Amino acid sequence: DQQVKQNSPSLSVQEGRISILNCDYTNSMFDYFLWYKKYPAEGPTFLISISSIKDKNEDGRFTVFLNKSAKHLSLHIVPSQPGDSAVYFCAASGDYGQNFVFGPGTRLSVLP
Amino acid sequence: DTGVSQDPRHKITKRGQNVTFRCDPISEHNRLYWYRQTLGQGPEFLTYFQNEAQLEKSRLLSDRFSAERPKGSFSTLEIQRTEQGDSAMYLCASSLEGTYNEQFFGPGTRLTVL
Repeated sequence: DQQVKQNSPSLSVQEGRISILNCDYTNSMFDYFLWYKKYPAEGPTFLISISSIKDKNEDGRFTVFLNKSAKHLSLHIVPSQPGDSAVYFCAASGDYGQNFVFGPGTRLSVLP
Repeated sequence: DTGVSQDPRHKITKRGQNVTFRCDPISEHNRLYWYRQTLGQGPEFLTYFQNEAQLEKSRLLSDRFSAERPKGSFSTLEIQRTEQGDSAMYLCASSLEGTYNEQFFGPGTRLTVL
């Protein structure tokens, strides 16, 4: 049973528009969430995180929103750029960020 | 230090052979993790070390798999008697000890078992 779900395997967005990537989780013990970005032939790269005491965290063009009651988080990228085209993984931890469960990923394509 | 490095980047082997992968973490990181990633899936946790101690192993880590981190620096992951189902990307990550520290990943070793 997947504890972290990313139900959209792929997403295409026009350059300059907003990209919204979604992630749902089932384990109510998860208290820390990360987003990673992965380019082909490279390992995942940390993007942004949020702990369960917050409902929003921003870093430049990237914002993560957390809805604990719905067990849902989303990553917003504004404005989207072609260099953002990659696979995005949502990861969740229930032990203060020591071990993570990853979702299956969403492939984002930003079209010029 | 330029990040987490893994060697080799690619490995092709025949079924039944043993393979060993190496991971060099970021030097000041005392936590080291191994993950396996198959096509269309996210990284799946295999095991992790804090310094030289192996603190947790996933049930995915069968008795054909063994990991070591003898001096608390680099780590090796050995797979004995490889099977075709072992074909995957093996990722290593490192982090600082403590809470709420993100993991930094290496480029991975892609294993193909023929």
